[in-house]
Amino acid sequence: DGGITQSPKYLFRKEGQNVTLSCEQNLNHDAMYWYRQDPGQGLRLIYYSQIVNDFQKGDIAEGYSVSREKKESFPLTVTSAQKNPTAFYLCASNPPESGGQPQHFGDGTRLSIL
Amino acid sequence: GQNIDQPTEMTATEGAIVQINCTYQTSGFNGLFWYQQHAGEAPTFLSYNVLDGLEEKGRFSSFLSRSKGYSYLLLKELQMKDSASYLCAVRSYGGATNKLIFGTGTLLAVQP
Repeated sequence: DGGITQSPKYLFRKEGQNVTLSCEQNLNHDAMYWYRQDPGQGLRLIYYSQIVNDFQKGDIAEGYSVSREKKESFPLTVTSAQKNPTAFYLCASNPPESGGQPQHFGDGTRLSIL
Repeated sequence: GQNIDQPTEMTATEGAIVQINCTYQTSGFNGLFWYQQHAGEAPTFLSYNVLDGLEEKGRFSSFLSRSKGYSYLLLKELQMKDSASYLCAVRSYGGATNKLIFGTGTLLAVQP
């Protein structure tokens, strides 16, 4: 079955440490997204990528970085510059410009500070 | 600016009907989505509206009025498993990209 796989499910970060969240999809989707969700909040866009080797900042990109070297993969690095990283991180993808096609989500990674 | 408003919480009774409203102000409107999200899980797609009117899908229906910047999600014959957060999201066309802008979600509690 096609889908989006995020790993790990839970992640702990120490002060001053960079951590990388994995997102892999086998849906052959061009567009991929990273969102952050805080308790009782909606999803806020961190970064998105429409094609390989290209990505754009979302609304809250500071303290994060991404890469898109392969169509299937869109890893997110939470850097030490992100002072409040504790949140639920969701990766999503969708086919390009395709009307009612919704974004598909991975199961998420919950990041906490040690 | 871009803004999406939903009630924060709602409570309803098992077997009843509940309507969750969503109002939005965005540039370049290109469709509205409703998602269901259970605690600690990923959102799952419920419905999509791009033209005015009602879309029905089983116990769930969604309505859109583009001129009023308004949508609602209607849940009928409520079941306990419908207790979840319901997210309204607007696709905003900007240049070559279609991004989703999410509301903060409405937490629905279904009581026996």
